[in-house]
Order: sequence, then C-alpha cells, then structure tokens
Amino acid sequence: EADIYQTPRYLVIGTGKKITLECSQTMGHDKMYWYQQDPGMELHLIHYSYGVNSTEKGDLSSESTVSRIRTEHFPLTLESARPSHTSQYLCASSESGRGDNQPQHFGDGTRLSIL
Amino acid sequence: EDQVTQSPEALRLQEGESSSLNCSYTVSGLRGLFWYRQDPGKGPEFLFTLYSAGEEKEKERLKATLTKKESFLHITAPKPEDSATYLCAVQATGGYNKLIFGAGTRLAVHP
Repeated sequence: EADIYQTPRYLVIGTGKKITLECSQTMGHDKMYWYQQDPGMELHLIHYSYGVNSTEKGDLSSESTVSRIRTEHFPLTLESARPSHTSQYLCASSESGRGDNQPQHFGDGTRLSIL
Repeated sequence: EDQVTQSPEALRLQEGESSSLNCSYTVSGLRGLFWYRQDPGKGPEFLFTLYSAGEEKEKERLKATLTKKESFLHITAPKPEDSATYLCAVQATGGYNKLIFGAGTRLAVHP
C-alpha cells in the first residue's frame, strides 16, 4: 500500500494569494512528481524530482515552483494564484532502480479553486 | 510524438457483463505500460505494469494484455464496485520517468 499524503484536500482562495500545496511520502522513494488534472482530461506532468536538491519542469508549462529539501517532502508553491490555476493537483512518487520503470504511486490530490 | 488514446470514453455494463477497454499508444520505444484505477475525488491507484508484447497480468476480475500497438484491460463478470475511471499510461525509453496518460475510460457497472 502506497503511503503518500497531500494537504489540503480542498482549497478555495482568492486571486493573488500565495499558496503552498503539501506532499509527503513515507516510502523513502527518491523520485517524486506533480501532475495537473482537469475533469475528464489527461494527467499532465508539471514538475519532477530525482532526489534531494533536484527539481525539473515537466511538459506542461506551469507558473508554480517546487522544492526538495528532504526526501519525503515535495511541496508545490504558487506565488500569486490566478483563476487559470484552478485544477486538481496530484503528487506521486516511485522507486529508483530496476530499469527505472517502476510504477508511480499517487496521493489523493488537492482540488484548488481560485476565485 | 508520443501519444496514448483510450476507448471507449465511457462504458456502461450490467453486472456480470464482461467487456474490454482499449489503450492504443504511439511511442518511440516502450519502457512500460501502466494501468490505473481512479475513483471520484481520489488519486489514481496502480493496477498493473506490462513491459513487453505478449505479456499478461491478472488481478481478481481484471486482466491486462499488451501488443506492440495497444493494451486491453479485460473485465470479467464485473460488479458495481468495479465502477471507476481506468487510466492507461506509457513510459517511453530515453529521458526521465515521464508517464504519458490517456484521458481514461469511465466505467459504470449497474446491478
């Protein structure tokens, strides 16, 4: 059973606010990811990390930033929220090694609404 | 360009009525194909990984198969609790662990 936790589960907030979405995993996985998912649509990768102090942007352009100071923690920050940021944000992690094709395990997401 | 297409978009079944979901993919080289189940308001739950054509995996009423161009998720005698969105994702060779997801098939199983 994957142990990956996201908080908050739901957030409704006004335009211009700074937001941090939290993601923690207890499995010791080196690799972590952030995806964005709109209703009925594909998941799109916005950030990933191969380990501490390693972060990269994914395919989908995002105004968010991430940090990886500890293995278990991978927060995502929006400096100034806008209505276009309204979406569901999913965090995932995976093991390293064994051909680098290990499955990613997901948290339950944060549903973000910007008014 | 790497791409994943799932069909049908939605499927309604009666309890016990077996069927299959399709995932067609185009990638430069396949490192792995993954099936996930997603319930409303939840994150995707990992089901299977398939690595090479001809491979099959089973779990309860679900069986996943893989060819060089597509994968099928066969559901045998489904129950209402199998209702969910089923997502397919592929990982291409080269680059990082990027998963390319399809839009999913929404399955509803009615008693």
